[in-house]
Amino acid sequence: AQTVTQSQPEMSVQEAETVTLSCTYDTSESDYYLFWYKQPPSRQMILVIRQEAYKQQNATENRFSVNFQKAAKSFSLKISDSQLGDAAMYFCAYRIMYRDDKIIFGKGTRLHILP
Amino acid sequence: DTGVSQNPRHKITKRGQNVTFRCDPISEHNRLYWYRQTLGQGPEFLTYFQNEAQLEKSRLLSDRFSAERPKGSFSTLEIQRTEQGDSAMYLCASGPRDGKNIQYFGAGTRLSVL
Repeated sequence: AQTVTQSQPEMSVQEAETVTLSCTYDTSESDYYLFWYKQPPSRQMILVIRQEAYKQQNATENRFSVNFQKAAKSFSLKISDSQLGDAAMYFCAYRIMYRDDKIIFGKGTRLHILP
Repeated sequence: DTGVSQNPRHKITKRGQNVTFRCDPISEHNRLYWYRQTLGQGPEFLTYFQNEAQLEKSRLLSDRFSAERPKGSFSTLEIQRTEQGDSAMYLCASGPRDGKNIQYFGAGTRLSVL
């Protein structure tokens, strides 16, 4: 069975600093997608960044980047120059390519931004 | 706003009552998903539609739950004889068939069963 583990229930970072959220996953599949979703309080979940497992290059989206280690089944999210608007619940997620369409989510990491 | 729309945003009901939620996906998206999110947990997959066909159902979806997507547009999720354990946020997501496999989420319907 596929599982996604986020070992940090909560994290805090000073505004303008850099923070890294951890995620590990377990799968026997070789082709899959990994995602980081952001869920602000009482607002809808939005996609932050997406990585295809067959790509060796780490995905980046402006201040957001990932460190994808396929052999270690690790997928961490780095947020640079943290802003107050980054405060939210962050979910690491996984989806098998070509087959299932469901996304499997971790339990989330609540990120606090300290002014 | 052309995002995924869910109604109602909040629903309070008494145990044993039936409730129905509606999801309007982004108009050109042929895929629609329902997830359930309980406090402190990530969303858990419930069911998935491609157009009007329900292609997958989680074992979380007991026989008290039914989902439909008539004509492949909006979808409804009905819970019959609600139980306190059904209290959760019910999320709907939609996605296009463009190979990018991105799901776009609505704001959810929060159900409280008293």
